[in-house]
Amino acid sequence: LAKTTQPISMDSYEGQEVNITCSHNNIATNDYITWYQQFPSQGPRFIIQGYKTKVTNEVASLFIPADRKSSTLSLPRVSLSDTAVYYCLVGDSPGYSTLTFGKGTMLLVSP
Amino acid sequence: DVKVTQSSRYLVKRTGEKVFLECVQDMDHENMFWYRQDPGLGLRLIYFSYDVKMKEKGDIPEGYSVSREKKERFSLILESASTNQTSMYLCASSKRQISYEQYFGPGTRLTVT
Repeated sequence: LAKTTQPISMDSYEGQEVNITCSHNNIATNDYITWYQQFPSQGPRFIIQGYKTKVTNEVASLFIPADRKSSTLSLPRVSLSDTAVYYCLVGDSPGYSTLTFGKGTMLLVSP
Repeated sequence: DVKVTQSSRYLVKRTGEKVFLECVQDMDHENMFWYRQDPGLGLRLIYFSYDVKMKEKGDIPEGYSVSREKKERFSLILESASTNQTSMYLCASSKRQISYEQYFGPGTRLTVT
C-alpha cells in the first residue's frame, strides 16, 4: 500500500473551511483514496472515497489533482463537533480488504 | 443503521488470564477485522476474516488468535494476557466488495495488570 503523509495537527475556528492535505507520492494506478474520521473514545468512521478530480457528499469534499500524488479533504464551515482525528488511506478498491491507518491529523476546532 | 457491537467497553484482566473479546455485526458483512489502537502508533490490524472459519493474519498477530464460527460474530482471543496487550481493541466489518468502507464498533479498553 502506498504510504501517506499528513499533518499531525491542525487548528481552526467554528465556521471556517478546513482543508487537510495528504501526500501519497507512490500511489498506484489502481489505488483509491479514502478518508476516515475518529472522535475520542469511538471507532473510526468512513467519510469519503475518491479516485480522481472531485468527490462530494453531505459531509465533505475530496479534491484529487491530475497527478494523484496528493489529495485534500475539505470540511465546509466546521463546528466544534468536527474536532476529531482524520485519517487518509490509499489502497486499491474494491479489491483490497485491509486498511493501513497512519497516525492521522488531529483537527481542533475552537469557538 | 449498520451496527457493530463489542462485548465490553472496559475490561480489566490479570497477567496470564485467557481473554475473550467478542464482536457482532448485524449487516451480513463478509469481512470482519480486529485492530488495536495505541497512542502514537495509530490503528494496527491484528487479524481479519473473509468468511466463516476463514482468518488471515494482520500486521501484529503475535499473542492473539481469532475465531469466526458464524458470519456475524468474530472473536479475538488472548491466550495468556500480558501487560503489553493493554490497549483499545476495535472491531470492524465491511462488505467484501466495498472493503474500504469499514464499520467500526465502539471499542473495548482492555487493561492487563
